[in-house]
Parts: sequence; C-alpha cells; structure tokens
Amino acid sequence: GAVVSQHPSRVICKSGTSVKIECRSLDFQATTMFWYRQFPKQSLMLMATSNEGSKATYEQGVEKDKFLINHASLTLSTLTVTSAHPEDSSFYICSARPGTGGRSGHEQYFGPGTRLTVT
Amino acid sequence: GESVGLHLPTLSVQEGDNSIINCAYSNSASDYFIWYKQESGKGPQFIIDIRSNMDKRQGQRVTVLLNKTVKHLSLQIAATQPGDSAVYFCAEKAGANNLFFGTGTRLTVIP
Repeated sequence: GAVVSQHPSRVICKSGTSVKIECRSLDFQATTMFWYRQFPKQSLMLMATSNEGSKATYEQGVEKDKFLINHASLTLSTLTVTSAHPEDSSFYICSARPGTGGRSGHEQYFGPGTRLTVT
Repeated sequence: GESVGLHLPTLSVQEGDNSIINCAYSNSASDYFIWYKQESGKGPQFIIDIRSNMDKRQGQRVTVLLNKTVKHLSLQIAATQPGDSAVYFCAEKAGANNLFFGTGTRLTVIP
C-alpha cells in the first residue's frame, strides 16, 4: 500500500533555531501534500496545502514566513519551522494525495508524524 | 464554517463487545467521509470511507453508517479487541475542498 514517511520522528531544538521536517511518499507520486499540526488531545489542524512546483496555500492564521513549505518534487515536501519557540512544540503530520489512483481519488495517506519540542 | 464533532469524547468497552463511535457534521455539502484511527505517537490510519450516495459500508469488522438527514456518521467495530484502543477521528470533505477533521473519540478496550 501507499507509504508516507517523515523524518525526523522526534526533534528537540533550542528556542530561536530552525527545524526542517521532511515528508516523502515512498511508492507513489504525490501531486498534493498537506501539513497538519496536532496539539495533545486535540484534532488535526490543517496548516497548509502544497502542490509540486508551486507555492503552498496556507490556512488562515498560519504564518507563511514562519512555516516554510517546499514541495520540490512529486515525492518530497519539507516544512521548516523558522525561529522556533516553545509554543511551536507540537506533533506535525504530513499527508500525501496520489496524482492518480488511491481508493477513491480523494484519499490522503498520512505520515507517522514528527514530535517537535522547543526548549 | 464547517464543524465536525463527536458526541462522546471517550468510550470504554469490554473486549469482545461491539463499539459504536459517533460523529456529527454540519456541512450539508460534504460528500465524502472517512474514519481514521490514530494510535499514540503515530499518524492517522485509514479505516473506512463512505460517499454521500451511500448510507452504509462494511469492511473487516467495521461498518460505517451515514445519515444525511441528521448529518450523522457512525463507526461500528465488531468484537472489539485490545488493539482497537486508539483515538478515532471522522473527517469530511466537500467536493474539492480539503479534509476537515472532527475532534476525536478515545476508545479504550478493557480486557
């Protein structure tokens, strides 16, 4: 089946530094990738949608200059949290939508998530 | 705006019993619904989906029911097992719009 990986799975960084999270679709091409943020005991909140080769579309309230998204290829999207602060500590999850196929064409395949802790 | 919510934030069931997890949605334009299972520290895992032109769909040990009249979605898990313990999210989609997730229900299976 379709597999999406994320790297790293966990990262601890100091306040003020930047952190890059990678999202890869391993066995399919993803024309669209999504980045979500999840706080403890809460639901997934969509941060942005990225299409390969174009600028990401950010949800209302998400700072595009703070959360830089690059969808450089059909199998890789990166999220960079710039000048991270403790309030950015969260679980970041990506998902990828196949260009074709999938069970229904609507489906997104989710990565395992990245736990970011900013100290 | 859209809202997808759950009636029960937590649910505890005995192993072997059936589980029913409920979800209410408010966007009548939603035409596709998915149930996800999320274990601690992991990403959501697809369980089952249903389109709005259906009212029931069955999978292995799981059944999703859709009642568009009252905008209600449910996930039934038969013979619940300890491995079913997780947080379950319903998600809705209207046309080409993005998936919108509900708040989640934590299912705990008691051995």
